[in-house]
Amino acid sequence: SQELEQSPQSLIVQEGKNLTINCTSSKTLYGLYWYKQKYGEGLIFLMMLQKGGEEKSHEKITAKLDEKKQQSSLHITASQPSHAGIYLCGALSGSGTYKYIFGTGTRLKVLA
Amino acid sequence: DAGVIQSPRHEVTEMGQEVTLRCKPISGHNSLFWYRQTMMRGLELLIYFNNNVPIDDSGMPEDRFSAKMPNASFSTLKIQPSEPRDSAVYFCASNPSDRGFYGELFFGEGSRLTVL
Repeated sequence: SQELEQSPQSLIVQEGKNLTINCTSSKTLYGLYWYKQKYGEGLIFLMMLQKGGEEKSHEKITAKLDEKKQQSSLHITASQPSHAGIYLCGALSGSGTYKYIFGTGTRLKVLA
Repeated sequence: DAGVIQSPRHEVTEMGQEVTLRCKPISGHNSLFWYRQTMMRGLELLIYFNNNVPIDDSGMPEDRFSAKMPNASFSTLKIQPSEPRDSAVYFCASNPSDRGFYGELFFGEGSRLTVL
C-alpha cells in the first residue's frame, strides 16, 4: 500500500527564517494535498498539486510536485509565529477504492 | 455555512464502556471520512462512505469499532467496549464528490477521547 513519509518530523526556526518540509511517496502520486493543523484543531486545506513539475503559492507558502510525481516540498518564506502548527501531506491511495491517506506530519514551531 | 460538526468535543470514559462519536457533514457533501489521530501513528483513515454506503473499512482496527451513516446528514463511530489504547482524537471529514477524486477534505474540530 502507498505510504507518505514526511521530513523533518519536527522543526524549530527563528521568526523570519525560510524552511522546507518534504513529503515522499512510495508510489506515483495522482494528486498531492497539503494541510495545516493548529494544535487541538482540525485540518485546514492549503493547496493541491496534480501535475508533475507543478508549483503553487499562497501568501508566503509555496508547494511543488516533482516531475516524477513521487515527492513534494512545502516552502515557507520569512516564517512567522502564525505559521506554527502541524503540516500534513495527503494523497489518494489504491485503485478502485481510493483511500485518502496522510503523511506522518511535520511539527513546526516558530520562535518570535 | 456551517462546517463539519462533531460531538462530543471531549469524552472521558472508563475502560469497557461504550463510546459513540457523532458527525454531521456539510450539507450536500456526498463523501464522509472517519480518521483517528495519535502521536504514535499519526492520522489514520478508519472508514469512508460514499452516498451513505461504506466503501472501505479496512482501517477499522477491530470488531470493537463500528460506523454507520443512516442518512446523508449524520454518521456515528461506535467503540464497544472501549480500551485505553483507543484514546485519541477522532476526526470526521466530508467532501462534495462521490467519484473517487476528492480534492479538499473539510474537517471537523475532532472528538478527543480518553479511556481510563
